[in-house]
Amino acid sequence: GAGVSQSPSNKVTEKGKDVELRCDPISGHTALYWYRQSLGQGLEFLIYFQGNSAPDKSGLPSDRFSAERTGGSVSTLTIQRTQQEDSAVYLCASSRILTGTEAFFGQGTRLTVV
Amino acid sequence: GQQLNQSPQSMFIQEGEDVSMNCTSSSIFNTWLWYKQEPGEGPVLLIALYKAGELTSNGRLTAQFGITRKDSFLNISASIPSDVGIYFCGVYGGATNKLIFGTGTLLAVQP
Repeated sequence: GAGVSQSPSNKVTEKGKDVELRCDPISGHTALYWYRQSLGQGLEFLIYFQGNSAPDKSGLPSDRFSAERTGGSVSTLTIQRTQQEDSAVYLCASSRILTGTEAFFGQGTRLTVV
Repeated sequence: GQQLNQSPQSMFIQEGEDVSMNCTSSSIFNTWLWYKQEPGEGPVLLIALYKAGELTSNGRLTAQFGITRKDSFLNISASIPSDVGIYFCGVYGGATNKLIFGTGTLLAVQP
């Protein structure tokens, strides 16, 4: 597709369950970001994949959070043993080259942990 | 770590008024981006600034890259109801040059 695609758009899960969120970046974009946005809050950086380099995981809030990017394209953000405080919108963005250019966002996945 | 201080936190204005918001930092950045996020949507890029002192317009929007490279402002002229949303500034920083954002400015426009 022409834009960044995220799935599912909404996810309701029970506390303690694992969830996987998917991001399809724009074709040819080598950089991919994950952010978390709690209700009424800003964009909290989680993880950044930059080409073939090791990802910058400095924003992951706990070891329950992990992400992969397979084949330099699709990325999956996994949250294990979900907690209610994990409820938020998870946004993915991609950009064409490693740094310094515009990043384009998907519409996000709204995660609700009950 | 690097922080972007964005202000004001929120603005409630009448249609037709001009709006100004800004971002400041203690660190130097080489690229400033301004995004708008509408309810239920992902942020959308409005303006990208690449050169210190640069002034760029996009319709009723004007943004400037501060000469010190530590700040940027965004102006919206003659606001309309569809300007409602959260506006974020963004920069590339840190050891890996990741994209980080300010805390956002919530804009509400009353017809």
